[in-house]
Amino acid sequence: AQKVTQAQTEISVVEKEDVTLDCVYETRDTTYYLFWYKQPPSGELVFLIRRNSFDEQNEISGRYSWNFQKSTSSFNFTITASQVVDSAVYFCALSGRWGSNYQLIWGAGTKLIIKP
Amino acid sequence: EADIYQTPRYLVIGTGKKITLECSQTMGHDKMYWYQQDPGMELHLIHYSYGVNSTEKGDLSSESTVSRIRTEHFPLTLESARPSHTSQYLCASMTGGLGYTFGSGTRLTVV
Repeated sequence: AQKVTQAQTEISVVEKEDVTLDCVYETRDTTYYLFWYKQPPSGELVFLIRRNSFDEQNEISGRYSWNFQKSTSSFNFTITASQVVDSAVYFCALSGRWGSNYQLIWGAGTKLIIKP
Repeated sequence: EADIYQTPRYLVIGTGKKITLECSQTMGHDKMYWYQQDPGMELHLIHYSYGVNSTEKGDLSSESTVSRIRTEHFPLTLESARPSHTSQYLCASMTGGLGYTFGSGTRLTVV
């Protein structure tokens, strides 16, 4: 069975602190994709990143970075020097191998609060 | 600029009314989805479609229905709204296995 676990329900930090959001997944597929989405208070879901199972390179985009480790089935998301605008709910998701699974398996989300 | 459109953005309606939430996409995606979500909470799949004239119920039981007569259009209908239907409804589309594109959502309040 496929499953995504985001054990941190809520994280609260002070602005400019670094923060890491954890994501652990389970799948029997050898080819799969992992995703992070951001949901600000306005409610829309914003795509942040897609990573396929063959690419374990870490990704950095500005203040955001992602650490994918197949050995621990984790795909963690770090925000460096957090800002108030980063406050949102962040969802991690998993899909099966391309063409065979058309639905994303979602984590429960982590609510991130950045205090000024 | 959004490629998937949901209307209305907000809706307050009385109990017993029939409502249709609209979702349209301009990307030619064959796969479309409806999720129900209380703000900031888990996403629950209620309906999906893999193409024209193909619709399926999702993991969460819902009293709503959907139709897919055209590729770009995937409306969701509640025949008789109840306060328990108060929630946010998110529409998404996908091509291949490369993740979803979401609409802005409809926040429904049934009074």
